[in-house]
Amino acid sequence: NAGVTQTPKFQVLKTGQSMTLQCAQDMNHEYMSWYRQDPGMGLRLIHYSVGAGITDQGEVPNGYNVSRSTTEDFPLRLLSAAPSQTSVYFCASTGRPYEQYFGPGTRLTVT
Amino acid sequence: AQKITQTQPGMFVQEKEAVTLDCTYDTSDQSYGLFWYKQPSSGEMIFLIYQGSYDEQNATEGRYSLNFQKARKSANLVISASQLGDSAMYFCAMEDNQGGKLIFGQGTELSVKP
Repeated sequence: NAGVTQTPKFQVLKTGQSMTLQCAQDMNHEYMSWYRQDPGMGLRLIHYSVGAGITDQGEVPNGYNVSRSTTEDFPLRLLSAAPSQTSVYFCASTGRPYEQYFGPGTRLTVT
Repeated sequence: AQKITQTQPGMFVQEKEAVTLDCTYDTSDQSYGLFWYKQPSSGEMIFLIYQGSYDEQNATEGRYSLNFQKARKSANLVISASQLGDSAMYFCAMEDNQGGKLIFGQGTELSVKP
């Protein structure tokens, strides 16, 4: 039982490049979400999914796309990276009762 | 709109003493959950404690307890017998009544002095 895994751990992109942050969980949780954490701040919700095929926007969705084709995977796509997207990205998976499991994070730098 | 406020950017505590980290929240929901997370310098988010809005007893987990005052909309974290390893950022968060989505405060940086 690996919990929530994220890849890569670190990434450097140039402005305008695209990439996908991977997130997977092996706990059969329906609910998954993506957060970003900027320096000196708490986490902010980007997108979330309540099950395969269902996604919705969080607080800061602009510049990011998600899809959920399986229960296990919830990738986050940056279509055209911008310096403002430099951040640490956390994926989370929610069980019950109200248990949130966070991945280890991906540190992204956009130059 | 839901909101979490942590008014202490940084706190110092002497080793072996107790410390209280403040958290107030705002919501119009009747059903919600409150969390505390620890984030050490290594960056991972570590779950500490959870309090449901309908729980009558304050939550406790080892050295951690949550002082839940519903009428005042506060959910303070109490750490007893502080240890050097408790030095970290601490985040208060609220989950809405639909479950899953968390709203975080800005965090409190705790430093434990030997």
